[in-house]
Amino acid sequence: SQQGEEDPQALSIQEGENATMNCSYKTSINNLQWYRQNSGRGLVHLILIRSNEREKHSGRLRVTLDTSKKSSSLLITASRAADTASYFCATDQINTNAGKSTFGDGTTLTVKP
Amino acid sequence: EAQVTQNPRYLITVTGKKLTVTCSQNMNHEYMSWYRQDPGLGLRQIYYSMNVEVTDKGDVPEGYKVSRKEKRNFPLILESPSPNQTSLYFCASSEDGNQPQHFGDGTRLSIL
Repeated sequence: SQQGEEDPQALSIQEGENATMNCSYKTSINNLQWYRQNSGRGLVHLILIRSNEREKHSGRLRVTLDTSKKSSSLLITASRAADTASYFCATDQINTNAGKSTFGDGTTLTVKP
Repeated sequence: EAQVTQNPRYLITVTGKKLTVTCSQNMNHEYMSWYRQDPGLGLRQIYYSMNVEVTDKGDVPEGYKVSRKEKRNFPLILESPSPNQTSLYFCASSEDGNQPQHFGDGTRLSIL
């Protein structure tokens, strides 16, 4: 099964509300990254958080990492219709070849205007 | 403009007819990787390359070949495509294996 698993699979909210997505993984990691994908397009990198970091911010995005629970969350505040996309977490694992990346199945976010 | 370019963007072909999907990046990145994306299965890594002449298997390498003769190019080769390789394929690159990856726009392959 996938190293990273997102939850929920789908999320629908109104513009202005906050959206929270979660990612769980199974083995120890060096870092965890969040990506966004608009329908049918390539993924765009959002945030990278290292295993020794607990929280990072970028604009309206806030990412937390709890290595004891092997989980991460992505919070999008004050959502906009343009945030409608799929969001994926990706991990690389300690004790594997550098460069081996594992993506979760993604959370599909719909923001209604 | 920094980009990863894949060609073709769309291809419909038949079982057994060899095909190559090209990938080129203009950022002088050491690391390049191929993924396939299927509904309900997320992105799965096929092959990756840490540098020229260095390639490694990802999670789903069966039925695929790659080469890395030049830093900028990382073609994906399907020697004898089969219908189960119908998928959306993405190429990505980054400075090294731990940095954010830049993705191409994808190649949608249909194998009949």
